[in-house]
Amino acid sequence: DAGVTQSPTHLIKTRGQQVTLRCSPISGHKSVSWYQQVLGQGPQFIFQYYEKEERGRGNFPDRFSARQFPNYSSELNVNALLLGDSALYLCASSLAWGRGDEQFFGPGTRLTVL
Amino acid sequence: RKEVEQDPGPFNVPEGATVAFNCTYSNSASQSFFWYRQDCRKEPKLLMSVYSSGNEDGRFTAQLNRASQYISLLIRDSKLSDSATYLCVVNVQGAQKLVFGQGTRLTINP
Repeated sequence: DAGVTQSPTHLIKTRGQQVTLRCSPISGHKSVSWYQQVLGQGPQFIFQYYEKEERGRGNFPDRFSARQFPNYSSELNVNALLLGDSALYLCASSLAWGRGDEQFFGPGTRLTVL
Repeated sequence: RKEVEQDPGPFNVPEGATVAFNCTYSNSASQSFFWYRQDCRKEPKLLMSVYSSGNEDGRFTAQLNRASQYISLLIRDSKLSDSATYLCVVNVQGAQKLVFGQGTRLTINP
């Protein structure tokens, strides 16, 4: 069975540009969460979506936005990129929301902002 | 104060040694507790959940002390393949988000 998939695997952008990252959850999973992991730190929660609705938001600026599609895949958008946005962006899927289901992580998208 | 705090290490120990990691969390509403393992340049993977009664999985033992808001992980008879970063993680009830510590890097030496 396929796990969580993310695309692209690597991305290089310049300051001020915009980026869209994509995530496909495990088949049957309806909840998707996004995390940012800066080098040397643990992942930080950005968003969680369940049934196409935002269910949680971390302490990130409005430049960060996301959405979930009817097939439960998700996109994370970051506008006006800053050097500090360089990180590994992880997507995690779980069966549902609010039950403490295990979250399974994808391989991540490594974003470099120059 | 960080919500989840871990000793960042690095820990360098010989093969066969026993190593212990500690973690504290600040939110008393935390309901679920986990240890994740992350290999270099890979995604985190669940190692084990942590329960108040303590739980063991082979060479790995996890303990939770809710009164002290403290979580531990013990690795016995360490193997070279145990080299990784170990992340302490809590899930606050209702928030449905995982809060990660910064991770403890472990290197097992032959």
